[in-house]
Amino acid sequence: DGGITQSPKYLFRKEGQNVTLSCEQNLNHDAMYWYRQDPGQGLRLIYYSQIVNDFQKGDIAEGYSVSREKKESFPLTVTSAQKNPTAFYLCASSPGLAGVGSYEQYFGPGTRLTVT
Amino acid sequence: RKEVEQDPGPFNVPEGATVAFNCTYSNSASQSFFWYRQDCRKEPKLLMSVYSSGNEDGRFTAQLNRASQYISLLIRDSKLSDSATYLCVVILNTGGFKTIFGAGTRLFVKA
Repeated sequence: DGGITQSPKYLFRKEGQNVTLSCEQNLNHDAMYWYRQDPGQGLRLIYYSQIVNDFQKGDIAEGYSVSREKKESFPLTVTSAQKNPTAFYLCASSPGLAGVGSYEQYFGPGTRLTVT
Repeated sequence: RKEVEQDPGPFNVPEGATVAFNCTYSNSASQSFFWYRQDCRKEPKLLMSVYSSGNEDGRFTAQLNRASQYISLLIRDSKLSDSATYLCVVILNTGGFKTIFGAGTRLFVKA
């Protein structure tokens, strides 16, 4: 089955700890994205990557870091510098950033992170 | 003004009703437009891309009005299973890539 996987589904951490969320896709998509969703709000873009070994900050990158060493994988690290890390984190991928259908993003099931 | 605004909702409609969602965007350079549905505590799922010529998929019709900077989604003959939150998404890729999600409009379809 082709798709995007995120793990774990739920994650609990103590304040001050860094935590890494995984995202893997087997859709052969070039572009990958990370979003966070807070209750009652739209998704906000944290980071995106158009190609392996390249990534760009989104609207709310402070306190987060990413890597894109493989096409299939785009892990997100929530660092202790992120002031309000508790949220629903969603990873997405799209075919690429040019041409018809390039921007159609497909989402993984998400990770709910709770930091206390 | 928010970059993307949707009807605040919620919409409560009976089965079989026609329901329309509207979404306005502020940046005239916006390039791509989509509707997603999101069920409670789940990920968004792509419902439709929205093209300038309008597009239809079964009971769903999406329209884009670039002059007035809004997109719409029409659901005909609504089903109980259509109950969800509908998200409008706008993408810009000039001077930097941006994906902007609306806050969503919740739909409840009742028997």
